[in-house]
Amino acid sequence: LAKTTQPISMDSYEGQEVNITCSHNNIATNDYITWYQQFPSQGPRFIIQGYKTKVTNEVASLFIPADRKSSTLSLPRVSLSDTAVYYCLVGDGVTGGGNKLTFGTGTQLKVEL
Amino acid sequence: DVKVTQSSRYLVKRTGEKVFLECVQDMDHENMFWYRQDPGLGLRLIYFSYDVKMKEKGDIPEGYSVSREKKERFSLILESASTNQTSMYLCASSSLLLKQGRNTEAFFGQGTRLTVV
Repeated sequence: LAKTTQPISMDSYEGQEVNITCSHNNIATNDYITWYQQFPSQGPRFIIQGYKTKVTNEVASLFIPADRKSSTLSLPRVSLSDTAVYYCLVGDGVTGGGNKLTFGTGTQLKVEL
Repeated sequence: DVKVTQSSRYLVKRTGEKVFLECVQDMDHENMFWYRQDPGLGLRLIYFSYDVKMKEKGDIPEGYSVSREKKERFSLILESASTNQTSMYLCASSSLLLKQGRNTEAFFGQGTRLTVV
């Protein structure tokens, strides 16, 4: 059973704001939501993490509604260099052990001129 | 800067060969992971380890094994390589869980593109 569901792809133009929504209906009370970005021929890199309401950093904002069953990654004024795959993850810790990081298929964002 | 280094960027092996993919991290991280990435399938977790000599199966462990004899090194082993194991392999590391449900930031290597012929 998939823990998260995202759109497969999205298209945008330079200068626009892009919002990528992730559905996680079965999120557990303790789970945080984390987003990663992956450029072609590179490994993913961490963008942002949050638990509720809103989190903002220099790269993106993350909006999480009160029921926490979904989250939205917001990229302000995208540029061509934001073309990448974006992954949404929810907490997947192993009791008594480490954390099992489970990625899905992600959302391919394509930014055009 | 955190560094996760995979021993090879590109590798070509023959069917039936035993293949070792090596990964080393320099941040004293407890967790280490091996993924494979295939078009349309995203990143799939093969194995992970949260301590020396500890290993846990991921979602697709069949045909693979791992070894973690030292904290900084995590090896992926293909006992008998097959053509369906042709893929991009990514290693990652992270520090221990901050708290249940809160994953710590993972750092990835550049990947090894393995071709089995």
